[in-house]
Amino acid sequence: DTEVTQTPKHLVMGMTNKKSLKCEQHMGHRAMYWYKQKAKKPPELMFVYSYEKLSINESVPSRFSPECPNSSLLNLHLHALQPEDSALYLCASSPEGGTGGAGNTIYFGEGSWLTVV
Amino acid sequence: AQKITQTQPGMFVQEKEAVTLDCTYDTSDQSYGLFWYKQPSSGEMIFLIYQGSYDEQNATEGRYSLNFQKARKSANLVISASQLGDSAMYFCAMREGGNYGQNFVFGPGTRLSVLP
Repeated sequence: DTEVTQTPKHLVMGMTNKKSLKCEQHMGHRAMYWYKQKAKKPPELMFVYSYEKLSINESVPSRFSPECPNSSLLNLHLHALQPEDSALYLCASSPEGGTGGAGNTIYFGEGSWLTVV
Repeated sequence: AQKITQTQPGMFVQEKEAVTLDCTYDTSDQSYGLFWYKQPSSGEMIFLIYQGSYDEQNATEGRYSLNFQKARKSANLVISASQLGDSAMYFCAMREGGNYGQNFVFGPGTRLSVLP
């Protein structure tokens, strides 16, 4: 079983709705990530938090707003999404919080399936 | 240029047989890590096995082993005694030293189907 927990598992939202995806890890990891994955494609990095501070934003549209309330929690706030934003959203964590290292494994959650209608 | 290449979009294997999933990579770093993940249709990305660039022995984890050939820049995943539950998408990934996350690159994936 994964130690990265994501809720909800499935979410359907309209283009004017505001919703949030939530992620929690209790492995003491200091880096947390959001990835977006379209069908039949590998995951694409969206955001990286290190020690609860946003360190990487891969030019993601502002309708996606990440938040890291503490070292165990990571949220992704969604507002005014488009149908093309429908995808699997994966949260992940890894042990390092500093400059990182080649050997640090990234552990993923089960994902949240998002459909924008 | 693609940093991770997986040349097999789809593979079939008979239950209880072994199967090799190919992965080649491109990096100029001396320090890097190679990872394999399994993604069933449920969506979860499951970490399987890791190989460090300085590791002299091939990594093994239960039925999974990694055939690491550094000079050829290949890191093939070998699954022994395939099971029906092994049917999934498999991603090879590489992480270079330095900035985390940004330097974690996935290959396009291979879909494995295990036949009864």
